[in-house]
Amino acid sequence: QITLKEPGPTLVKPTETLTLTCTFSGVSLSSSGVGVGWIRQPPGKALEWLALIYGDDVKRYRPSLRSRLTITKDTSKNQVVLTMINMDPVDTATYYCVHRRGNYYFDSWGPGSLVTVSS
Amino acid sequence: QSVLTQPPSVSGAPGQRVTISCTGSSSNIGAGYNVHWYQHLPGTAPKLLIYDNNNRPSGVPDRFSGSKSGTSASLAISGLQAEDEADYYCQSYDTSLSGRFYVFGTGTTVAVL
Repeated sequence: QITLKEPGPTLVKPTETLTLTCTFSGVSLSSSGVGVGWIRQPPGKALEWLALIYGDDVKRYRPSLRSRLTITKDTSKNQVVLTMINMDPVDTATYYCVHRRGNYYFDSWGPGSLVTVSS
Repeated sequence: QSVLTQPPSVSGAPGQRVTISCTGSSSNIGAGYNVHWYQHLPGTAPKLLIYDNNNRPSGVPDRFSGSKSGTSASLAISGLQAEDEADYYCQSYDTSLSGRFYVFGTGTTVAVL
């Protein structure tokens, strides 16, 4: 069974950098077919995929946010880190860590982490 | 912005059948990429409901079914129950000039009358 966990609620100020660490178990991010990534949901809005990293270190980013996002992995710690620079209040959302399987879908989700951007 | 379009809401009485459409384009669903569906209850993490167009993960009731045709897909819920009240999202993969990325639908709220 795959489990993923994001940090607790986070408050960041506008223009600051957000760093989120996902810790997972039940899967090893060391093979090319395995992927772990991030999806967010602003209040009252739809799900929005952000980034994904594969076991072979290939990375995919949401095109509209590519310049602000960086995703990395630490295979030895079973962790994936998402960094988003220049945060804005519109980035306020619940951020989910997810496991990608098979034909491009997400079969396991973390409980979510509320990120609030406010001065 | 989302590139998969869903109706904002659908509703039905208990026991009825409702369907949710998901309309994409030639760069995602029409390109042959599979469609997946998620159920999202308030305060919880989304849950995979249908994968690869019409497959149910273990534990998902067979009241839920999916289909895909051309640039669109549908989720059907038969024998609607109160516990089915939730938001539903379709998801696929897109390859365009912008790159390769995962796309979600706009989301549909199901209400049980």
